[in-house]
Amino acid sequence: GAGVSQSPSNKVTEKGKDVELRCDPISGHTALYWYRQSLGQGLEFLIYFQGNSAPDKSGLPSDRFSAERTGGSVSTLTIQRTQQEDSAVYLCASSSSGHGTDTQYFGPGTRLTVL
Amino acid sequence: EDQVTQSPEALRLQEGESSSLNCSYTVSGLRGLFWYRQDPGKGPEFLFTLYSAGEEKEKERLKATLTKKESFLHITAPKPEDSATYLCAVQASNYQLIWGAGTKLIIKP
Repeated sequence: GAGVSQSPSNKVTEKGKDVELRCDPISGHTALYWYRQSLGQGLEFLIYFQGNSAPDKSGLPSDRFSAERTGGSVSTLTIQRTQQEDSAVYLCASSSSGHGTDTQYFGPGTRLTVL
Repeated sequence: EDQVTQSPEALRLQEGESSSLNCSYTVSGLRGLFWYRQDPGKGPEFLFTLYSAGEEKEKERLKATLTKKESFLHITAPKPEDSATYLCAVQASNYQLIWGAGTKLIIKP
């Protein structure tokens, strides 16, 4: 596709349930990022994938959060045993190389609501 | 600690009324400063990257400038379609971006 796509666009779940969020990066981009955006706050870095290197998971807020990237393309962010404080917009971005200051291009996000 | 602060939090202008948004930063070893625009329900859209103090970039009614401590996004004769939240981010010693909370700009016709 022409841009980064994410699915679903909206997800409502009950506390304690697991959710999976999907990201399709721009074709050919080797770097992929996940962020969380809460109302009135800046984007919070979650995890970074670069090619076949081990991902940087330093931003994951707890062990309930995990992510994988299959075949160097599609990525899935999984949140287990969701809590109300997990409610936020989850944004995915990709960049051509992940090195230097190459531009990150964002998807439309997934709005997660935990009841 | 690396930090980015944007001001004001919100700004209401009349159509055609020029103004500036501020992004102040403290970071060790700035590699780049980024401006993005975000419309409601959408992801951030890239506008500019600035790399060194004194650099300026323009796009339509927007002009971004950079000093050693802050960046300004100048909006000249804005139109209602310029209404959005404008986000600033800095890249320090690694690939991670540190983001400000954004300025919500409303342009009234």
